[in-house]
Amino acid sequence: DGGITQSPKYLFRKEGQNVTLSCEQNLNHDAMYWYRQDPGQGLRLIYYSQIVNDFQKGDIAEGYSVSREKKESFPLTVTSAQKNPTAFYLCASKIQGSDGYTFGSGTRLTVV
Amino acid sequence: GESVGLHLPTLSVQEGDNSIINCAYSNSASDYFIWYKQESGKGPQFIIDIRSNMDKRQGQRVTVLLNKTVKHLSLQIAATQPGDSAVYFCAETRGNTPLVFGKGTRLSVIA
Repeated sequence: DGGITQSPKYLFRKEGQNVTLSCEQNLNHDAMYWYRQDPGQGLRLIYYSQIVNDFQKGDIAEGYSVSREKKESFPLTVTSAQKNPTAFYLCASKIQGSDGYTFGSGTRLTVV
Repeated sequence: GESVGLHLPTLSVQEGDNSIINCAYSNSASDYFIWYKQESGKGPQFIIDIRSNMDKRQGQRVTVLLNKTVKHLSLQIAATQPGDSAVYFCAETRGNTPLVFGKGTRLSVIA
């Protein structure tokens, strides 16, 4: 089955540590996106990539980094510079020229 | 499950009634709009979309209305069922720019 997979579903991190969230898709989609979701604030764009080896900052990129070395993969690193990293992180993808996004099931990151 | 919207506006409806969820979008240049449904602990699922050259579009049990004059979008769900309980988001975009999401509304169906 084609889809978009985020792992792990739950992640715990100690303050001061970097952590990487995985996002893999086998839909042959060109563009991939990372959103952050907090209670009462909807989804906010962190980073996005429309082609391999290229990505752009979203509205809340500070404290995050990404890479897009393969079409299928768009990992997100939450660095120690992110002041309030506890949140639900959603990855999405779409074919270039289309409109609808396919979302993964999310990763819940908790800083302990 | 995850708390995807502890402080969201909430709409409570009786099972079988129609639901109307409203959304005010921000960019008058947006030309494409989507409604998503998100259940607790899951990613958003596509419900219905509409382009700016339309003012109404119907799907199965759902209708989206677009009023560009006042930048307002609404989602109507007919004969609401318990399985419709979720958080609903509208999203907008222009051209190939990333989707911008609204804050969401929690729909609670009373059996």
